[in-house]
This record gives sequence, structure tokens and C-alpha cells, in this order.
Amino acid sequence: QQQVKQSPQSLIVQKGGISIINCAYENTAFDYFPWYQQFPGKGPALLIAIRPDVSEKKEGRFTISFNKSAKQFSLHIMDSQPGDSATYFCAASITGAGSYQLTFGKGTKLSVIP
Amino acid sequence: KAGVTQTPRYLIKTRGQQVTLSCSPISGHRSVSWYQQTPGQGLQFLFEYFSETQRNKGNFPGRFSGRQFSNSRSEMNVSTLELGDSALYLCASSFNRVDYGYTFGSGTRLTVV
Repeated sequence: QQQVKQSPQSLIVQKGGISIINCAYENTAFDYFPWYQQFPGKGPALLIAIRPDVSEKKEGRFTISFNKSAKQFSLHIMDSQPGDSATYFCAASITGAGSYQLTFGKGTKLSVIP
Repeated sequence: KAGVTQTPRYLIKTRGQQVTLSCSPISGHRSVSWYQQTPGQGLQFLFEYFSETQRNKGNFPGRFSGRQFSNSRSEMNVSTLELGDSALYLCASSFNRVDYGYTFGSGTRLTVV
């Protein structure tokens, strides 16, 4: 499986602002795209996930936008809060038979300043 | 419900030694995966077990090995430790596939000196 490229590496956003993190992939066989949130000293926790037959998925303040033709997907955090300060990872997987792993982006460290 | 439990939380080992890490999955989960997390390489897949069988393996040397027991608990072993093995080792469990209940533990921080 090829890599997933994530940008930016770090992001500083004012409280109440919109945080946007982008990911791009090469392998068109990927069919599951989750986003994970990781706080220091903890393991990654699933935030939201999308499949390529949907262009957008929203859960509370978190939205995934998916562009299949461009092979890109992004996470939008609306009304960002200091408690959202964490490292965010995009990931991709082929959920069909024979593949049971996630390929992760390198992560984005988000700091939300009051 | 109890989450994924990894023990120990921290380990310090000397180069050349070997180490065994343990992972207890969420009750009912039969798949256990292991990842290595480093600042430089990020999260990299090591291997995955389901019903005591290794189904998938990442691109790591043979010094990294694992196993799964009949109660779904898993261990990973690293032999002949190198300084570059210093990392956070994460375990994730699921019912089967990555899109079905995939949950990470808090990890074991391994430092090789």
C-alpha cells in the first residue's frame, strides 16, 4: 500500500476559527478513510470516517470532505476550541479481503489558542 | 466497557536485549494489530492477528515478531534491540476489519539505551 500524504505538519488556529487539514493518497483501491485524534500519552482515537461513495460527512463540529477524482480528503473542525489541541492523523485502508491495516499520514499538530 | 489494555506502559532496555509487550483487546474483539509510532516515521503497521493466525505483516525486520493466544490477547517481541527501536508501540483491536470497532490502546513507550 502506498503512503498517504498529510499537510500541514502543524497548525495554529484562534479559538472559534476553522481548522483545515488535508490528505492525499495514491492507491485507488483504498475504500475507507478515517481521521484519528491523539492526545499526549494516549493512543489515537477515531474521530470520523468516510467512504469514497460519499463526498461529505459531518459529525458535530467535524466534517470530512472527500474528492475522489483528485484523490484528496480533508478534515474541517468548525468553531475550534482549546480542547481540540491535539495531533490529528488521516488514514486509509482497503477493507476488502486480504488487508487489515491502516496506512497513516504523518500527522498534524493542532494548537487552538484562546 | 474496558478498552484495550497495554502493559507495561514504559520500558527501558539496553541495546542487544529483547523485550515482550502485551496487549489485551476489548472483550469480543478477535483481531489485534500492532503499530510502531516514532516522530520521524509516524505510525507504521507491524502485524495483525486474527484467531491466533497472523494475517498481515508490515515491512519490519524479522527481529519483530508477535503471537496471539486463544483468548485473543497478543504479545509482540523484539529481539536484539537497537537504538532505533525506541518508540511508542500501539496495539489496536477490532471485531475483524479496520472499519469495525478499531480501537487503540494507550501504548507502551520503549526506550533503548
